[in-house]
Amino acid sequence: NAGVTQTPKFRVLKTGQSMTLLCAQDMNHEYMYWYRQDPGMGLRLIHYSVGEGTTAKGEVPDGYNVSRLKKQNFLLGLESAAPSQTSVYFCASSRRTSGDTDTQYFGPGTRLTVL
Amino acid sequence: GQNIDQPTEMTATEGAIVQINCTYQTSGFNGLFWYQQHAGEAPTFLSYNVLDGLEEKGRFSSFLSRSKGYSYLLLKELQMKDSASYLCAVRDTIKAAGNKLTFGGGTRVLVKP
Repeated sequence: NAGVTQTPKFRVLKTGQSMTLLCAQDMNHEYMYWYRQDPGMGLRLIHYSVGEGTTAKGEVPDGYNVSRLKKQNFLLGLESAAPSQTSVYFCASSRRTSGDTDTQYFGPGTRLTVL
Repeated sequence: GQNIDQPTEMTATEGAIVQINCTYQTSGFNGLFWYQQHAGEAPTFLSYNVLDGLEEKGRFSSFLSRSKGYSYLLLKELQMKDSASYLCAVRDTIKAAGNKLTFGGGTRVLVKP
């Protein structure tokens, strides 16, 4: 049981390049999330998904697109990377219910640098 | 809007107690979470409060006052491995889709020998 995995772990891009970050979870969770974490700003929600084939915008969606074609996978795309997108990206997943055990489980993160 | 405040950094001595405060002003509330995050790693779940009062889990305790929009995380018998960032997060209302969390900026705790 791997939990939440993310690929790649590190990436350096040049301004204007594109890339896709992959998140996979094996816990059969309905909900999945993409966050970015910058120094002093905590975790900010980029996009999220409440089920296969559905996505929604979070707090900071501009410059990113997402897709959830399969329940276990959630992809984050950067079409034209900018230096402001230099950050650590975390994926998370959770169950649909909202009880005390339904916390979000996080992947190990992807450290992205845009030059 | 959502606003969650916590101190940026705290320093404490091994074996001592540290209290990390979190105040929040959010449009909806369905529980408050505390996460621990070691440098370069993912956040991991520590505690959850949805009703007023104290929840105790070993050396860690968390308190919530919904009327005051206030929570704290209490770390007792500090160990060197407790040096980490501690994130306070509020979950949106039960009617809102996605069980979304809003995070504070995190409190970095440094434990000194």
